Amino acid sequence: DGGITQSPKYLFRKEGQNVTLSCEQNLNHDAMYWYRQDPGQGLRLIYYSQIVNDFQKGDIAEGYSVSREKKESFPLTVTSAQKNPTAFYLCASSLLPGGADTQYFGPGTRLTVL
Amino acid sequence: QKEVEQNSGPLSVPEGAIASLNCTYSDRGSQSFFWYRQYSGKSPELIMFIYSNGDKEDGRFTAQLNKASQYVSLLIRDSQPSDSATYLCAGWGGNKLVFGAGTILRVKS
Repeated sequence: DGGITQSPKYLFRKEGQNVTLSCEQNLNHDAMYWYRQDPGQGLRLIYYSQIVNDFQKGDIAEGYSVSREKKESFPLTVTSAQKNPTAFYLCASSLLPGGADTQYFGPGTRLTVL
Repeated sequence: QKEVEQNSGPLSVPEGAIASLNCTYSDRGSQSFFWYRQYSGKSPELIMFIYSNGDKEDGRFTAQLNKASQYVSLLIRDSQPSDSATYLCAGWGGNKLVFGAGTILRVKS
């Protein structure tokens, strides 16, 4: 089955901890994205990557970090510098980089700070 | 700041009626628009995309784009209770997709 997988589905973080959210795709898509969704708000872009070993900051990158060492993987680390990390995190991918291409979403990770 | 605006709703329609969801955008340069459906606790799933002025139909769904008025809409014919969800409008602004906050649709049987 082709698609985007995210793990874990639920994640709990203690104050001061860094946590890493996994995103894997087997669609052979070039571009990958991380969004954050808070209740009653639209999706906000954290980071995106159009090609392996390259990524750009989105609108709310502070307190987050990413890597893109393989085409199919785009993990997101939520660092202790992110003061309000409780949210629903969505990974997406699109076939073409840079263009207005359709983005497809993974199932999401719900992060809660204890 | 490029923005996409949607009425948060909820929009309530009876089963079998037409649901009309609307979206406006601020970036005149936006060329393509997407409608996603999101069930509670789930991730968004693509319903339709539209690039050209006019209407685009796919089954019970029709997307409409009016670039002069900077207006996008989604019509759902013969609405079903299973259509109850949040509908997200998104427009491609420059190098990223800009999302509206979504409209909650409730279809009553």
